[in-house]
Amino acid sequence: DAGVIQSPRHEVTEMGQEVTLRCKPISGHDYLFWYRQTMMRGLELLIYFNNNVPIDDSGMPEDRFSAKMPNASFSTLKIQPSEPRDSAVYFCASKTSGIHEQYFGPGTRLTVT
Amino acid sequence: QQQVKQSPQSLIVQKGGISIINCAYENTAFDYFPWYQQFPGKGPALLIAIRPDVSEKKEGRFTISFNKSAKQFSLHIMDSQPGDSATYFCAASISWRDDKIIFGKGTRLHILP
Repeated sequence: DAGVIQSPRHEVTEMGQEVTLRCKPISGHDYLFWYRQTMMRGLELLIYFNNNVPIDDSGMPEDRFSAKMPNASFSTLKIQPSEPRDSAVYFCASKTSGIHEQYFGPGTRLTVT
Repeated sequence: QQQVKQSPQSLIVQKGGISIINCAYENTAFDYFPWYQQFPGKGPALLIAIRPDVSEKKEGRFTISFNKSAKQFSLHIMDSQPGDSATYFCAASISWRDDKIIFGKGTRLHILP
């Protein structure tokens, strides 16, 4: 298996622009997690899905952030409009029911200027 | 009460020495305590995990020590090697209730050659 796939790996955008991050979980995994990593705040859970349904979005910072999972093999995290404080590395992770281990993708480094 | 506090933020150890990273938690409902290892430019990956019914778990040079009464746990890396240089995250979850993991802020470990 190729593991969790994220795209793009790097994104540089200007403040106010819309940003869409993409994730393909490991095939057969029914949980998908979106995290944000910064030096100040560490690794924060933004939202997670089970069987494509959002279960907990309490970590989503504000209405500018939205996430969707239209099918078992694809999820997006959208920021609109983006702000410089959104600059971070965003990770997607997946896992299967009954197993605690989460498998992380390589991350998307977002820079908002 | 949902936090996991990790220390130190950064650590420098000589090759062959023992690296020790400490974590503390408040929520006694936590019942699963994993450690994740992250190399630069990569996503975190599960290193080792423990449940509170045991006081120690060892896998090769990596050992988790768990003190349930003090609500503390630690990672010991014996005979530290330059290849161990990475960021280490402790974490906790209430595995019977939900599937999200609360991460500490991470420790950047550097092993001097």
